[in-house]
Amino acid sequence: AQTVTQSQPEMSVQEAETVTLSCTYDTSESDYYLFWYKQPPSRQMILVIRQEAYKQQNATENRFSVNFQKAAKSFSLKISDSQLGDAAMYFCAYRDLNAGNNRKLIWGLGTSLGVNP
Amino acid sequence: DADVTQTPRNRITKTGKRIMLECSQTKGHDRMYWYRQDPGLGLRLIYYSFDVKDINKGEISDGYSVSRQAQAKFSLSLESAIPNQTALYFCATSDLAGGPYEQYFGPGTRLTVT
Repeated sequence: AQTVTQSQPEMSVQEAETVTLSCTYDTSESDYYLFWYKQPPSRQMILVIRQEAYKQQNATENRFSVNFQKAAKSFSLKISDSQLGDAAMYFCAYRDLNAGNNRKLIWGLGTSLGVNP
Repeated sequence: DADVTQTPRNRITKTGKRIMLECSQTKGHDRMYWYRQDPGLGLRLIYYSFDVKDINKGEISDGYSVSRQAQAKFSLSLESAIPNQTALYFCATSDLAGGPYEQYFGPGTRLTVT
């Protein structure tokens, strides 16, 4: 069965610095998608970035970028120039294209990121 | 206006009461989901629906039931609420058409069962 592991329950970063959140996953599938979601104190779940497994190029969205290592099954999120508004819980999620898995999202347990002024 | 709405946003109820959480979406998506979130346990899938006639149990469906009244509406019911159902509940949607199938979430309902 597919699993997603976020090994860092809590992290902190100084404002304006860079931080990397780790995520590893386990799957036997070759075609899949990976996502990072952000949950700020408002509790709204917000999609930050997604990566298609067939793409070698790492996805980037403004200050957010990923380091996707398919062979290592690693999908880390880098936040550059951290801002106070980046303080949130971050969830990594996986979805494959196997209809037998009903294309459900598999979630990690989250990493709580604090940003220090 | 929000694409995925949930009502109520907060609810306190007593043990044994029946309660319904409602979700509506204007995204035109076929798939809808109900999750619960507990501290340290992440998001767990309760039920999901691919269309009005297709409803499936998730990993923690015991004690819950759902109704897909229309493509845009998906309700979650707790027939007899118990304290360990105190949690944050999310509704989400995704598109059935080809693509990454990312899910779009409502704002959540904070449910407390006393």
